[in-house]
Amino acid sequence: KNEVEQSPQNLTAQEGEFITINCSYSVGISALHWLQQHPGGGIVSLFMLSSGKKKHGRLIATINIQEKHSSLHITASHPRDSAVYICAVGVPDKIIFGKGTRLHILP
Amino acid sequence: KAGVTQTPRYLIKTRGQQVTLSCSPISGHRSVSWYQQTPGQGLQFLFEYFSETQRNKGNFPGRFSGRQFSNSRSEMNVSTLELGDSALYLCASSWTPGLAANEQFFGPGTRLTVL
Repeated sequence: KNEVEQSPQNLTAQEGEFITINCSYSVGISALHWLQQHPGGGIVSLFMLSSGKKKHGRLIATINIQEKHSSLHITASHPRDSAVYICAVGVPDKIIFGKGTRLHILP
Repeated sequence: KAGVTQTPRYLIKTRGQQVTLSCSPISGHRSVSWYQQTPGQGLQFLFEYFSETQRNKGNFPGRFSGRQFSNSRSEMNVSTLELGDSALYLCASSWTPGLAANEQFFGPGTRLTVL
């Protein structure tokens, strides 16, 4: 079993829909990262969180440390949100990545 | 402020050769980490450097090595290339060491193809 599991693996939605991507992990962590990767490879760090909830524009990230679960929400989704979203957990000596969720927003 | 830069962006090598990839962090960042991304395994941590010292290393064979210079620039080297080394190699920088709880700023990556 992978230490970091993301669901769904693939998601196609219509523009304007509310999107939720989930991440579950099985190890003790110092922080959890949400990353965005567009075609071509560049990765952007969206959030780093160790408790509670963070919001940036239309993006919201939450984490439940007791449940070992995090969610990334996108409100009013737009075609430019189409990308791969990757959850990563920081443990003391390394960072472990999920396999990513490929999101496609249709206009 | 300029972002993380990686050179070269694309590279084609043959099996058995060696390769050196370069990463220049954001000005003022002293921590550099390296990652390998393949379709099958996804993103995997290679190593982390801070102040010219390797702090952490992922589960990769000894053919993968790296170093960091006094100006924080970093290089990674892969010797005796294998077909399975074909991947996107990404580096990231941050102000302080510690992958666990520091925001990482990623470079565009070097796409290595081994024939």
